[in-house]
Amino acid sequence: KNEVEQSPQNLTAQEGEFITINCSYSVGISALHWLQQHPGGGIVSLFMLSSGKKKHGRLIATINIQEKHSSLHITASHPRDSAVYICAVRVRGGADGLTFGKGTHLIIQP
Amino acid sequence: DVKVTQSSRYLVKRTGEKVFLECVQDMDHENMFWYRQDPGLGLRLIYFSYDVKMKEKGDIPEGYSVSREKKERFSLILESASTNQTSMYLCASSPSSGTGLHEQFFGPGTRLTVL
Repeated sequence: KNEVEQSPQNLTAQEGEFITINCSYSVGISALHWLQQHPGGGIVSLFMLSSGKKKHGRLIATINIQEKHSSLHITASHPRDSAVYICAVRVRGGADGLTFGKGTHLIIQP
Repeated sequence: DVKVTQSSRYLVKRTGEKVFLECVQDMDHENMFWYRQDPGLGLRLIYFSYDVKMKEKGDIPEGYSVSREKKERFSLILESASTNQTSMYLCASSPSSGTGLHEQFFGPGTRLTVL
């Protein structure tokens, strides 16, 4: 069983829709990261969370430590938001390397 | 801005060749990481280093070695490349976790094909 599970694996939506991507994990963590990967491979860090909620522009990330669950929300989605969104955790007491979910492939159609 | 660069975007090698993938970061980060990314499997940690000449195995170190002779440079070495090492390789760096939790900064990736 993967330590980090994301859902959905694929998501297609219309421009303007509110998007939610979910991440569940089965281990104790010290931090959870949301990453964005565009075609071509480059990965950008969107958020790093250890508790609560963070907002940056149209992106919102929340984490519930007790439930071992995090969500990434995109408001007023736009075709340029089309990318793969990856959830990753740093295991508590573990090394600094991250354990990744398999990613959610998001397509926003105009 | 933090910049992490990788020596090649695309690389084609033959089975049995020795392959070097180079990664350089310009922000004096202590931690550096090598990951590989495969369809259906996501990213997996191969090796990481938390200081010069220090290295730790990740989840899938078999068939790989690393070298960190200088703080800014972290090399991944495939001693004898095999076809199952065809993959996208991503390097990342971050400040030491001793100063708190930090995000990781990723390079653009090297797509390696082993024929």
